[in-house]
Amino acid sequence: EAGVTQFPSHSVIEKGQTVTLRCDPISGHDNLYWYRRVMGKEIKFLLHFVKESKQDESGMPNNRFLAERTGGTYSTLKVQPAELEDSGVYFCASSQGQLLSYEQYFGPGTRLTVT
Amino acid sequence: LAKTTQPISMDSYEGQEVNITCSHNNIATNDYITWYQQFPSQGPRFIIQGYKTKVTNEVASLFIPADRKSSTLSLPRVSLSDTAVYYCLVGLYNFNKFYFGSGTKLNVKP
Repeated sequence: EAGVTQFPSHSVIEKGQTVTLRCDPISGHDNLYWYRRVMGKEIKFLLHFVKESKQDESGMPNNRFLAERTGGTYSTLKVQPAELEDSGVYFCASSQGQLLSYEQYFGPGTRLTVT
Repeated sequence: LAKTTQPISMDSYEGQEVNITCSHNNIATNDYITWYQQFPSQGPRFIIQGYKTKVTNEVASLFIPADRKSSTLSLPRVSLSDTAVYYCLVGLYNFNKFYFGSGTKLNVKP
């Protein structure tokens, strides 16, 4: 069974540019999460999809971030325009169910560097 | 969200048993305790989860005392490949927005 995949693995962009990160969850997982760790700080929750609907987006830092999950399969996270403080590692995770007992499977992350 | 406190780092040697303790004084009645492992350049990986007393699986044991204000992850006979960061997470059973603290960096030496 394929795990959670993320693309690209690393992205380097200039301040003010746009970047789109992609996450492909495990097949059949309705729940998809985005997390990020910025510059050596803790991993923090960004948002949670159930199928194509945003269940919880309380962790999204500001309106420069837009997450979508059209069709309830893969998800994209767009940063526009990117700022220096957006540099970090963005993780995606998926799970079968919403309850805590359902293990969240994490992808390898996308390392974003904004210069 | 109940916050957790863990040692920043620990050293061990191959073949030893490692116990990592996590404090969660503000844990709520419906909170579960979950441990994740993270290797460099990888996403976190689930290790074990529990509510009370003791839980054991093929890779670890989780000990939770009666007051549930702390928990201990026990890794039997660690190897060099167990060198990683270990996160203790506390969350509601129906609330899976994980709060990752700083984790414990375990360094296993030969």
